[in-house]
Amino acid sequence: AQRVTQPEKLLSVFKGAPVELKCNYSYSGSPELFWYVQYSRQRLQLLLRHISRESIKGFTADLNKGETSFHLKKPFAQEEDSAMYYCALSHMDTGRRALTFGSGTRLQVQP
Amino acid sequence: NAGVMQNPRHLVRRRGQEARLRCSPMKGHSHVYWYRQLPEEGLKFMVYLQKENIIDESGMPKERFSAEFPKEGPSILRIQQVVRGDSAAYFCASPPLPGHISSGANVLTFGAGSRLTVL
Repeated sequence: AQRVTQPEKLLSVFKGAPVELKCNYSYSGSPELFWYVQYSRQRLQLLLRHISRESIKGFTADLNKGETSFHLKKPFAQEEDSAMYYCALSHMDTGRRALTFGSGTRLQVQP
Repeated sequence: NAGVMQNPRHLVRRRGQEARLRCSPMKGHSHVYWYRQLPEEGLKFMVYLQKENIIDESGMPKERFSAEFPKEGPSILRIQQVVRGDSAAYFCASPPLPGHISSGANVLTFGAGSRLTVL
């Protein structure tokens, strides 16, 4: 069965500090990993996905299959990064299936 | 494109009443997912629907919960005889249209959610 673990419920950093939001997954097949973000009073939206290997709003995430991790990183946090972040996992080889989400990490960036 | 529309945004019910949550996917889309977010927890998959067909309901509670997506009109998540434990945010999402799938087959577009409070 798939599982996504985000060990931190809350991460508080100061503006300009580096950020790492942890995500570990459990899945026996070939995983597809995503990070979704939910800003205050806004809907959940895709931030980035491992297949694209892109950097969005300064955030990057590398899939580490050996450690089964997909941590989200940003070298210098900004106040506007404050939000809920969800790591999500889906498998690619059985067509459309629902995403399995982690419990989320609230990032607070203080001035 | 109005995106995924959900209503009501907030719904208050007393124990034992029925709750109906509606979701209209993006224009031209015929599939929807429903997720539930309990307080202090992550999003949990409930059901995946196509118009007039339930594809995967493995996440639905066995009793009191049902979902439909008729040929015409929105998808409806129905909760009968609500209990306090049903208080949660319920989210609806649309997958990409066939032929519009860029890298990654499961990028979902979410609605703003419906927050159910059971008194």
